[in-house]
Amino acid sequence: EDKVVQSPLSLVVHEGDTVTLNCSYEVTNFRSLLWYKQEKKAPTFLFMLTSSGIEKKSGRLSSILDKKELFSILNITATQTGDSAVYLCAVEQGGSEKLVFGKGTKLTVNP
Amino acid sequence: DTGVSQDPRHKITKRGQNVTFRCDPISEHNRLYWYRQTLGQGPEFLTYFQNEAQLEKSRLLSDRFSAERPKGSFSTLEIQRTEQGDSAMYLCASSLGGFAEAFFGQGTRLTVV
Repeated sequence: EDKVVQSPLSLVVHEGDTVTLNCSYEVTNFRSLLWYKQEKKAPTFLFMLTSSGIEKKSGRLSSILDKKELFSILNITATQTGDSAVYLCAVEQGGSEKLVFGKGTKLTVNP
Repeated sequence: DTGVSQDPRHKITKRGQNVTFRCDPISEHNRLYWYRQTLGQGPEFLTYFQNEAQLEKSRLLSDRFSAERPKGSFSTLEIQRTEQGDSAMYLCASSLGGFAEAFFGQGTRLTVV
C-alpha cells in the first residue's frame, strides 16, 4: 500500500528557532514530492522536488529530496509566528493524477 | 475573485440525506480535482477530471458518491444517503498543467448529524 509518513506530527518552537520537518514515503512509480502549507483551509504550494540532492529554496524555507533513502526534509530557519500552520507532504505517482498525502506536521511558533 | 470557488462553505445535514457541493475552477483550467480531508489527516484523493471527462476515481469512493463536470467548467460532487463518516472538508483544486500548479479552493465543510 502506498504511504507517506510525516514526523513529527506536532512541534512547538519559539520565534527564531530553526525547524526540520521530515517526510518518508513508500509509493510505486514515484514521480515527484510536493510540500504544502495549510493555515486554515486551502493548502498552498511550497515546493516540488523530483531529483535527489538538489535543494529548493524560497526565503527562509528550503527542501531537499533523497530518492535512495525515500525521504525529504523541509527546513524553516528563523521561524516567525506566521509560519504556524500544518505542513503537508505529498507524493505524485507516474501514470496517475492522484497525490498521496501524509498526515501533516502541525507547527506552532510562539512569540 | 479569480480563484477556485466552492459552495457552500459549510453544510450540516442529517444522516441519510443527500448533499451536493459545487466547485468553480479558475477559468481556463482544464484539470479539476476533488479531495476529502478529515481532522488530523492529510487530504485524500477522490476523483480527477480533465475537461468534462472523469479520468480517475478513487477506490475509496463508494457508490454513494458521484461527481460531474458538464461542459468542462464547474463541477459538482454529490453524496447520497450521507453517513456520519462522510463528515469532512471537501476540497476542490484546479490546474492547467500538473498538480504542482494547482490551486485549492477554500473547501466545503460537511457535518453529518
